[in-house]
Amino acid sequence: DAKTTQPNSMESNEEEPVHLPCNHSTISGTDYIHWYRQLPSQGPEYVIHGLTSNVNNRMASLAIAEDRKSSTLILHRATLRDAAVYYCIQNRDDKIIFGKGTRLHILP
Amino acid sequence: DTGVSQNPRHKITKRGQNVTFRCDPISEHNRLYWYRQTLGQGPEFLTYFQNEAQLEKSRLLSDRFSAERPKGSFSTLEIQRTEQGDSAMYLCASSPLRGGHSPLHFGNGTRLTVT
Repeated sequence: DAKTTQPNSMESNEEEPVHLPCNHSTISGTDYIHWYRQLPSQGPEYVIHGLTSNVNNRMASLAIAEDRKSSTLILHRATLRDAAVYYCIQNRDDKIIFGKGTRLHILP
Repeated sequence: DTGVSQNPRHKITKRGQNVTFRCDPISEHNRLYWYRQTLGQGPEFLTYFQNEAQLEKSRLLSDRFSAERPKGSFSTLEIQRTEQGDSAMYLCASSPLRGGHSPLHFGNGTRLTVT
């Protein structure tokens, strides 16, 4: 299974940007990088995905390293509602395989 | 788009009983996935369907577990002779295309407690 490495937890202050790192050193040329987040008592929620180029949407930005072995999810202005577990996934063979993710704490 | 619906939301059963969960994916999504999640862990892949065909089952999936998607729409996940270790959140997700570049849409899960 394709594995990614993320910090177990991170903290950020409300209204500040948050950079969530992810390493995916075994990534192959056709693997997409997906990010999901999970709020308490809910199923995971899609955030963003990309292949090679940086991506932006209304929720976040995804910065992908040139060698594609790492990426960073950027929340431009964190709110208390962004407190969740964030999963970085190396999508291979049409399966989304989750790791333990990063638990993001937002401090008011 | 009414989202992925899972029923029931909660199920409490006694060890040894059979349970069945239902998942209604987003209309016209041809891929449907089942995951299991225990406390503090990420969701664990169980199996997935393309239309009515079950394309893959995790080798971690016991023979007591069976999933169906008879008409390529809703799916059921049955657990026979439940054990306390089966207690978990069971998540269903669907997607319209190949997963590589198509995000999964998850339901809010069925929480199973085996006593």
